[in-house]
Amino acid sequence: GEDVEQSLFLSVREGDSSVINCTYTDSSSTYLYWYKQEPGAGLQLLTYIFSNMDMKQDQRLTVLLNKKDKHLSLRIADTQTGDSAIYFCAVGFSGGYNKLIFGAGTRLAVHP
Amino acid sequence: NAGVTQTPKFRVLKTGQSMTLLCAQDMNHEYMYWYRQDPGMGLRLIHYSVGEGTTAKGEVPDGYNVSRLKKQNFLLGLESAAPSQTSVYFCASRQATGNEQFFGPGTRLTVL
Repeated sequence: GEDVEQSLFLSVREGDSSVINCTYTDSSSTYLYWYKQEPGAGLQLLTYIFSNMDMKQDQRLTVLLNKKDKHLSLRIADTQTGDSAIYFCAVGFSGGYNKLIFGAGTRLAVHP
Repeated sequence: NAGVTQTPKFRVLKTGQSMTLLCAQDMNHEYMYWYRQDPGMGLRLIHYSVGEGTTAKGEVPDGYNVSRLKKQNFLLGLESAAPSQTSVYFCASRQATGNEQFFGPGTRLTVL
């Protein structure tokens, strides 16, 4: 079946880079997403990558996809305290109702 | 443009009570979804709708019913609430041809 795994917690120092990792099982996915959830709020789409791409960069965010190993990562450069949140990896499938399978989320804590 | 809104934001129910959660979107999206979020788990799909008047079961539909009488609204009903339904409920919507699901701020439900 479909499964998406993430480590649950990451702590980084302000100004350092953060790397959040995700692995998934179903290689038929079309898009892979990173969502951010701040306390008490809904999920906000940060970025996504099409499954035939290896990398996508968007300002401080870099997404790397290793389709062979079914591994997705999100790198946040120059991490700030405002980046503290839960980050969800999600795997999307085209067709039908465009199913999304979410990981459990990685809580990123940024300390001075 | 309010995006996706959810009412109520918080609710406490006693076991056996019923309630309806309302989701509204003003983006003219065809697809709408109801998820639940539990600690240590990713979002799980309860029900979804691909258009006005249509609904379908997701991953965890038991104990819930939904209706989509108007395109902009998607209602989630609990006929007889159980403590296992204590969760945070998120609604999302999406264009049929788009890649992004837009999420509401969530409803925190506690069943005693």
